[in-house]
Amino acid sequence: GENVEQHPSTLSVQEGDSAVIKCTYSDSASNYFPWYKQELGKGPQLIIDIRSNVGEKKDQRIAVTLNKTAKHFSLHITETQPEDSAVYFCAAHDLSKLTFGKGITLSVRP
Amino acid sequence: KAGVTQTPRYLIKTRGQQVTLSCSPISGHRSVSWYQQTPGQGLQFLFEYFSETQRNKGNFPGRFSGRQFSNSRSEMNVSTLELGDSALYLCASSLISGGNGDTQYFGPGTRLTVL
Repeated sequence: GENVEQHPSTLSVQEGDSAVIKCTYSDSASNYFPWYKQELGKGPQLIIDIRSNVGEKKDQRIAVTLNKTAKHFSLHITETQPEDSAVYFCAAHDLSKLTFGKGITLSVRP
Repeated sequence: KAGVTQTPRYLIKTRGQQVTLSCSPISGHRSVSWYQQTPGQGLQFLFEYFSETQRNKGNFPGRFSGRQFSNSRSEMNVSTLELGDSALYLCASSLISGGNGDTQYFGPGTRLTVL
């Protein structure tokens, strides 16, 4: 089955800096890659997603890039703000279900 | 449009008991997927229901079961609770099918504690 790995497991950045979170997946048949943000006491919230026919997608301060050859995708957050502090999960859809990475805790220092 | 709702939000049970959790998807969504979230294992897929039929099942014992009603609302049941079942149980709804790669929207979860 699909295996999704997320690196690093924690990330601390200064407010205003950029943050990059990387994920790798194992199943070349996977074709949909969402990113979720989870704040304490809440369920995961979809922040951006990308499908396999697109290499990059951007939504304001957030962007996702996909490299199907290398089987990795990355989340880029620019001009980070304290409210970006949360746990971020990547996931890959392998034609039957979503498989999630273990999550990364992003801390934005004011 | 209202989001995904889950009830109850918190639950405390003892070993051996059974529990039923409820999920109401976003209006118009027909697919409901369930996940278990624990600090050690992360988010793990339990099962997906679409049009009252289970479409896919994760690697969990038979003590975990679910169903979906004609109005797309879903319930999951865990029988003979074990300490290791303590987790956040999340429900996600999709317009057509999460199993086919439709976007999944999560509810706030039900925090289950087994004593």
